[in-house]
Amino acid sequence: KQEVTQIPAALSVPEGENLVLNCSFTDSAIYNLQWFRQDPGKGLTSLLLIQSSQREQTSGRLNASLDKSSGRSTLYIAASQPGDSATYLCAVSHGRGTSGSRLTFGEGTQLTVNP
Amino acid sequence: DTAVSQTPKYLVTQMGNDKSIKCEQNLGHDTMYWYKQDSKKFLKIMFSYNNKELIINETVPNRFSPKSPDKAHLNLHINSLELGDSAVYFCASSRHGTSRVNEQFFGPGTRLTVL
Repeated sequence: KQEVTQIPAALSVPEGENLVLNCSFTDSAIYNLQWFRQDPGKGLTSLLLIQSSQREQTSGRLNASLDKSSGRSTLYIAASQPGDSATYLCAVSHGRGTSGSRLTFGEGTQLTVNP
Repeated sequence: DTAVSQTPKYLVTQMGNDKSIKCEQNLGHDTMYWYKQDSKKFLKIMFSYNNKELIINETVPNRFSPKSPDKAHLNLHINSLELGDSAVYFCASSRHGTSRVNEQFFGPGTRLTVL
């Protein structure tokens, strides 16, 4: 059974700092990994998707890496801003077919960026 | 235009009642999902439909019955509501057969409170 763990559970940093969020998963047979952002009382916004054959993906100030063999992914946020404050969720997908479409989520990292 | 929409956004009801939550996506996706986010913010899949066919059915009480009238809609009906059903329910969708297989897009959530 796949388990996804995110460390740290909460993080508070001053504005401008570069930071790293960690995600680990127990079963390396994943199809892809997705990072989401969730604002309080809101839905999930997809940030980055890394397919299992890829090592990293970048979008603006965000960079996500994937080391499938060791079961790890990191989300790097450069020059953090107060608007980055949210909960960041890591989720893995199993298998290519529709039967493997389920996402298994970590419990999230709650990020606070202080002005 | 909202890509994945859910109604209602909030639902407060008495124990024992029957209620429905509706979900619609206008992304042209062929797979839709229901996830439950509990009080500890942990997200877990409940159901998945592909082309109106049920493909994932996690260990969910049979009081929960999903229905997909067409590829763009996936509704969730809950019978005999219990206190433990209080949670936020998220609908999501994805498309298969593309380079970004299984990338899931989420709705804003429905906060269900059972009194």
